[in-house]
Amino acid sequence: KQEVTQIPAALSVPEGENLVLNCSFTDSAIYNLQWFRQDPGKGLTSLLLIQSSQREQTSGRLNASLDKSSGRSTLYIAASQPGDSATYLCAVQGANDYKLSFGAGTTVTVRA
Amino acid sequence: EAGVVQSPRYKIIEKKQPVAFWCNPISGHNTLYWYLQNLGQGPELLIRYENEEAVDDSQLPKDRFSAERLKGVDSTLKIQPAELGDSAVYLCASSLEGQGADTQYFGPGTRLTVL
Repeated sequence: KQEVTQIPAALSVPEGENLVLNCSFTDSAIYNLQWFRQDPGKGLTSLLLIQSSQREQTSGRLNASLDKSSGRSTLYIAASQPGDSATYLCAVQGANDYKLSFGAGTTVTVRA
Repeated sequence: EAGVVQSPRYKIIEKKQPVAFWCNPISGHNTLYWYLQNLGQGPELLIRYENEEAVDDSQLPKDRFSAERLKGVDSTLKIQPAELGDSAVYLCASSLEGQGADTQYFGPGTRLTVL
């Protein structure tokens, strides 16, 4: 069974600092890896999707890397803003069953 | 374009009572998912539909949970009877197809509290 771990569980930084969120997974047989954002009381919003053949994806201030062989992904958020405060979830899609397995998330607080 | 719609947004019930959640996916999306999200955890899949067929319900506790997707559009998830441990957020998601690099679009969820 795929196990997804996110470290740290919570993070508080001053505005303007860069954020680094880590995700690890146990089974490297993945189809893709996604990073989601979840605001309190809201559903999940997809931020970035990295195919298993790719090494990274970028969208604006967000950059996600994938090292499938070591079972790791990192989400970088440059020049953080208070509006970036949310919970960030990592999810891997299995290559055989296409099932999404989620980590528990990292809750980010950006202080103004 | 409207996103995934779920209702109700919040529900408080006494234990042993029945409860039902409704989901309307994005128009044209063939695949619909129900997830359970406990506090401080990531979502876990309960059931996946492709059109009106439940293709993966291995994680659905069938003694008390049931789901249906009549006509392959909207779906209902039911719990009968509810237990204290069922308190959680129930998320619905949809995607264009079930396989491949399809992004799943999530609804806002229904927060269930069982007293």
